[in-house]
Amino acid sequence: DIQMTQSPASLSASLGETVTIECLASEDIYSNLAWYQQKPGKSPQLLIYYANSLNDGVPSRFSGSGSGTQYSLKINSLQSEDVSIYFCQQNYDSPWTFGGGTKLELK
Amino acid sequence: EVQLVESGGGLVQPGRSMKLSCAASGFTFNNYDMAWVCQAPKKGLEWVATISYDGSSTYYRDSVKGRFTISRDNAKSTLYLQMDSLRSEDTATYYCARHIRGGAASDYWGQGVMVTVSS
Repeated sequence: DIQMTQSPASLSASLGETVTIECLASEDIYSNLAWYQQKPGKSPQLLIYYANSLNDGVPSRFSGSGSGTQYSLKINSLQSEDVSIYFCQQNYDSPWTFGGGTKLELK
Repeated sequence: EVQLVESGGGLVQPGRSMKLSCAASGFTFNNYDMAWVCQAPKKGLEWVATISYDGSSTYYRDSVKGRFTISRDNAKSTLYLQMDSLRSEDTATYYCARHIRGGAASDYWGQGVMVTVSS
């Protein structure tokens, strides 16, 4: 199975700040990487797919990048509604494994 | 509007069975691969199973192979998860999710249904 290591596990940032979350795959996943946002008590929402494609309706302050085994999610100009847990998921090979999550809080 | 509505969860004893359903609407159901993803209380997400758009192919995580069966009825736009020989470690919220066309990311998710396996 492909292991997904996400960092940091938790993050505290101020409104307007730029934050970056990293995801490291245990092998090359050829940009088959998705990012999800999950707000407390809610279902996950797809933010990014194929490493850098923004899902419909997702604000442009969210962006994804990376290749090979290393990927990142960047949130520009942090808003209060961005407080959530963020998960990466590799979509290259079954089982389609998730990272452990990053809890983003406001400072 | 795309909607996925799960049902069938609840409390079940270890070793017993439970069947989850997911009613889909707002899109052409038989054009999309579908999946079940679970989340244990206060834990991360785990992909459980995927079925192809026509039901011809199914994929499972190792821990549920031989115990869980994913299926679909395209005439009813409904996805199912038959869970047999349930274990305490299967306790989780189960989400129905739609895969994006040509990929395994999930662009729509249901609200989730809780399954508690306990005596």
